[in-house]
Formats: sequence, C-alpha cells, structure tokens
Amino acid sequence: GQNIDQPTEMTATEGAIVQINCTYQTSGFNGLFWYQQHAGEAPTFLSYNVLDGLEEKGRFSSFLSRSKGYSYLLLKELQMKDSASYLCAVRDQTGANNLFFGTGTRLTVIP
Amino acid sequence: GAVVSQHPSWVICKSGTSVKIECRSLDFQATTMFWYRQFPKQSLMLMATSNEGSKATYEQGVEKDKFLINHASLTLSTLTVTSAHPEDSSFYICSARSRRVETGELFFGEGSRLTVL
Repeated sequence: GQNIDQPTEMTATEGAIVQINCTYQTSGFNGLFWYQQHAGEAPTFLSYNVLDGLEEKGRFSSFLSRSKGYSYLLLKELQMKDSASYLCAVRDQTGANNLFFGTGTRLTVIP
Repeated sequence: GAVVSQHPSWVICKSGTSVKIECRSLDFQATTMFWYRQFPKQSLMLMATSNEGSKATYEQGVEKDKFLINHASLTLSTLTVTSAHPEDSSFYICSARSRRVETGELFFGEGSRLTVL
C-alpha cells in the first residue's frame, strides 16, 4: 500500500519563501509528482522527481530523497495567486503505475 | 502539453437517477485513463483505472456496479454513477497519461461536480 503525509495547512507572506514537505511509504516507488489545485478546479502539474536531488523550475523547486522517503516543494517570491492546495503524489510501479495522492497542503498567502 | 476534456462540469440530479460523465483526450491517445473522486477539503481518491477495450480495475471499496466505467475508444472514457444518492455528491475528476510525455505525469480533466438531491 501507500502512505503519503503532508501538512494540512500553511500560511506564508507575499514575497516570502515557503517549503511544503511530503513523506511517503510505498512498495514500488516510481516517481513523485507535485500538483497545484485551486479550489473547485482540476490539479495542474508542477514538478516531477524520480532521482534524488533538486529540480528547479522558475519560482518552484522540488527535492527528493528516496532513501528517506521525503520530498519538498519550495515556492519562492510568493504571490497571492499561489494560494492553493499543493498535492504530493507518488507513482507506484506495481499494477498500472497509478498515482496516489496525499491529502494536500492548503497554502494561504497573505499580504 | 496534452489536453483532457471532461463533460459536464456541473450536474444536479434527483436521488435514484443515473448520471454519465465523459472524459476525452483531445490531442493524444490514452490507453489508460484514471477516475478520481474528491470530497470537499480532501485529496484525490483513485476510484478506478480505465483500460481501453477491457474492464476497468477498481480500487478497494469502490462498487463497480454503482460506478460503471466504459473505455470505448482510445480517446474516450465514461463514468456512470448509477442510482445516485446524496452521499455520491462529490467532485469527479478524470485523468490520462500521454505516451509523448516522458515524465508520465497525469493530465487532468476540468472535473465534474455532481450534486444529488
């Protein structure tokens, strides 16, 4: 099975940096994804890690440590529009390579 | 990127009726599509994996006779909620994976919000 943990809620200030952590346990790890989801909308892809290390894409970066079962999403220069839920998802290579999602972290950016 | 379209976006129905939701991959062929359900302030829960030309694979706890999934072609999967009840009210989201995209990320439809009265 899969077990994916994220903080439920976080608050940060506009212009600041925030780190959202994700820990996971899975039997057949085959990649970790971060998605952004605004309320009432479908998730949109942010990042993908399959090897250890940091992947940077503009204001967003994602880090993975497979040995620790740990990832984080780093958001820099926060903007008000970054207020959303951030979903950590792990792909399990057993079966159909399904993605299993954590509970999501609801980020609120304040002025 | 790849585009997935879902229809309808909103549906309100009476208890006991059936509702069909369509999921289409617009610019790629999807041999596999996934159906998720999301309750308010909760994350996505995988309901089933839809395979073109074969039966869907359901996750534990999901009633296959209640949530009928048909993957008639490489670009279309449908989810039918049969004899819907108020507890079935939820946000249903489909997704698909494109072979063109190496990361294997999922592309999501816009979601369908079902309200059963």
